[in-house]
Formats: sequence, structure tokens, C-alpha cells
Amino acid sequence: GNSVTQMEGPVTLSEEAFLTINCTYTATGYPSLFWYVQYPGEGLQLLLKATKADDKGSNKGFEATYRKETTSFHLEKGSVQVSDSAVYFCALSEGGGYNKLIFGAGTRLAVHP
Amino acid sequence: EAGVTQFPSHSVIEKGQTVTLRCDPISGHDNLYWYRRVMGKEIKFLLHFVKESKQDESGMPNNRFLAERTGGTYSTLKVQPAELEDSGVYFCASSQGRDRRNTIYFGEGSWLTVV
Repeated sequence: GNSVTQMEGPVTLSEEAFLTINCTYTATGYPSLFWYVQYPGEGLQLLLKATKADDKGSNKGFEATYRKETTSFHLEKGSVQVSDSAVYFCALSEGGGYNKLIFGAGTRLAVHP
Repeated sequence: EAGVTQFPSHSVIEKGQTVTLRCDPISGHDNLYWYRRVMGKEIKFLLHFVKESKQDESGMPNNRFLAERTGGTYSTLKVQPAELEDSGVYFCASSQGRDRRNTIYFGEGSWLTVV
């Protein structure tokens, strides 16, 4: 069945460091891909998305490119801030006309000053 | 525009008791989903309503869980009787239409602790 695999955390970085969180997927058909973020004490928020191969989603300095050839959707940011500390979830939506999401396990990011 | 709202935000109950979680989706969204994250694991799908009908309930863990969406508006998720392993955060989400590219919007979650 469809699945999402994320790099295990926690990821600990200093402020202004470069961030990469790896995400690969297994899916039939052509899923849409998403990154959701959960800040401490808050709910899930959509960070960015890409709906077809080679699309690049971007928001708040974060980027991810839908790579069909490597079945990947890695999240990157050039310079992280303390306020980026959160849990990041990669997800895909299955086909079939409805967008039920399948999530990865989540990667906790801690950014220190 | 109001987002997805969930109630209660936090609940602590004893094993064997009943808890009912409520979700109000974004107005006009036919699709309503329940997900949960247990013990820091991945977020897992529970079920999906299209209006008042259950489209997919393949993720419901057992018959202690009952979800309803009367009138196709708000939804409730009842856990009866609650067990320790039900502790976690229950997310409700909603989206428009059938297009898989449509964004799914999540609520802030209902944090359930069973003691």
C-alpha cells in the first residue's frame, strides 16, 4: 500500500543553519504531496504542497520539490530560526477522487540560538 | 472565515468512561476527516465523511469508536468505553469537493488523556 517515510529526528540545529528533512514515498498513480507543521501546543498547519511531478512548493522560506524519479519530497530551508522549532510531517494524498492523507512519522526540529 | 474548530481542546478521563469529541468543519466543506496521533507515532486516518455519509471508515480501530455527522455539518467522535491506549491527539480536518489537489485544513486537535 501507499506509505511515507521520513528521516528520524530529532534534528537539532543552530540558528541560521541549513535544514533538510528527507521524505520519500511509495504510491500508485500520481499523489499530491504535502508538508504539514505542528508548532508546540498548536494544531497541524499546511506548510506547502505540490500536486504534480517537478512542482516546487514554497512557504515561509521552506521549499520542497516533487521528484517522481526518486519518489522524494525533501523539505529544505536555507537559514532556520528558533521559531521554526516544531514537528514536521510529510504526507501524500491517495488517488481515487478524494484526498485522504497518509502521513510520515514526523520529524522534530529543535533550533537553538 | 472560521477554520476547523474542535472541542474540547483537552480532556482527561478515567479508563472505562466515555468521551465525545466534536468537530465543526469549515463552512461549505463536504469532506470531513478524523485522524489521530497516538504516543508520538504517525498521524493515522480514522474515517472520512462526505456530507452525512461515511465514505471510508477503514481506519476506525474497533467498535468502541463511533463517529456521526448528522445533517452533514458538525461531527462527533465518541469513545466508549475509553482505554489507556486511546490517549493521544485527535485531529479533525475538512476539505472541498473530490479533487485530490484540494487542501485539507486541520483543526488544533483534541488532546485526550485516559488515566
